Amino acid sequence: EPEVTQTPSHQVTQMGQEVILRCVPISNHLYFYWYRQILGQKVEFLVSFYNNEISEKSEIFDDQFSVERPDGSNFTLKIRSTKLEDSAMYFCASSGAGGEEKLFFGSGTQLSVL
Amino acid sequence: GQNIDQPTEMTATEGAIVQINCTYQTSGFNGLFWYQQHAGEAPTFLSYNVLDGLEEKGRFSSFLSRSKGYSYLLLKELQMKDSASYLCAVRPPGGTALIFGKGTTLSVSS
Repeated sequence: EPEVTQTPSHQVTQMGQEVILRCVPISNHLYFYWYRQILGQKVEFLVSFYNNEISEKSEIFDDQFSVERPDGSNFTLKIRSTKLEDSAMYFCASSGAGGEEKLFFGSGTQLSVL
Repeated sequence: GQNIDQPTEMTATEGAIVQINCTYQTSGFNGLFWYQQHAGEAPTFLSYNVLDGLEEKGRFSSFLSRSKGYSYLLLKELQMKDSASYLCAVRPPGGTALIFGKGTTLSVSS
């Protein structure tokens, strides 16, 4: 079965540093998403991306965050200047074209900001 | 906005049936999803409801009442591997993203 792949699985960084989390969505999917989950808390929506632009974003997705699809396969989340509270599991997801399409999630990148 | 409520924890024994409830108050509605999440892993899709009624898929069924803003996930013939968090999620209108509730942690014992 096709799957969403994310790299790296773990990322440790110092506060104030920039990090880029990488994702390869399922190849024929058109919608891409980033979610985060702080330990013990709920899965929170950050941003969705369609047709090379952001289609929806939450209040969490502020100017510190950006997304990009640099080529035909990768989808990245950049955090410009990490804060301690950015420590979380970051999940990438993708879905097909229909409104009823389910989201397929990658296995996540555990980001630790020290 | 969206407000999604689920019980925090539930326990059950192997072979039993458990019902996990979800209530939601949203500014609109375009489908309700249930996902399973084992500790440290990604959410995986279980079911989708957009119309009222019951959707059955093997040991798992999901029910929706749009007028009541209510859904439940029914798990039958529980197995130890069903110990996980069960996440209720709503798709608001006009978009494709899902908004998740806090999840219900189910512990199945022998």
